[in-house]
Amino acid sequence: SQQGEEDPQALSIQEGENATMNCSYKTSINNLQWYRQNSGRGLVHLILIRSNEREKHSGRLRVTLDTSKKSSSLLITASRAADTASYFCATSNYGGSQGNLIFGKGTKLSVKP
Amino acid sequence: EPEVTQTPSHQVTQMGQEVILRCVPISNHLYFYWYRQILGQKVEFLVSFYNNEISEKSEIFDDQFSVERPDGSNFTLKIRSTKLEDSAMYFCASSVETGGETQYFGPGTRLLVL
Repeated sequence: SQQGEEDPQALSIQEGENATMNCSYKTSINNLQWYRQNSGRGLVHLILIRSNEREKHSGRLRVTLDTSKKSSSLLITASRAADTASYFCATSNYGGSQGNLIFGKGTKLSVKP
Repeated sequence: EPEVTQTPSHQVTQMGQEVILRCVPISNHLYFYWYRQILGQKVEFLVSFYNNEISEKSEIFDDQFSVERPDGSNFTLKIRSTKLEDSAMYFCASSVETGGETQYFGPGTRLLVL
């Protein structure tokens, strides 16, 4: 089954604008994480939100989690050209998992100067 | 800041050849993982490793694949007989705890099988 599906698939904004990306998942989770990937590079961990948390902030990042809707959103405020990257949500399933993360297809964010 | 390192950054090999991808996880981490990302597709879990044995593996991780922690620092992924469809970016990750806690990823090895 699909898990961690982001939308939109691609997002293009001007520097200074806010960017919102959404993620939906299907099964119960321990937590949900957001990662960033610059083109052809590794994954950089941004933020982890636990299943009993509803909102979390880290610098210009704000993540929300709605377990009733099985969805999460990542908001990047006051975007910069350096924020241009692909953003992935990753879930860890509840119950017995040794921790493998299930990634979505990602949102490709382009921030134009 | 400690980070996961991977070597080589790029590897080109002929179909049927064996490749070994190397990773040095963060030193105080106990859980190690391999993921792969075929160009333009999702990052996919391959295998997790703890206490010198495989904890969990995906359907992708068939008999062609093996992992090893040969010493106190390295963590390797071996593909015995590479196929064209093994061409992908391979990421190593490590974490202090399991249960989906924050995993720190290496920069990846881009494998191209010709």
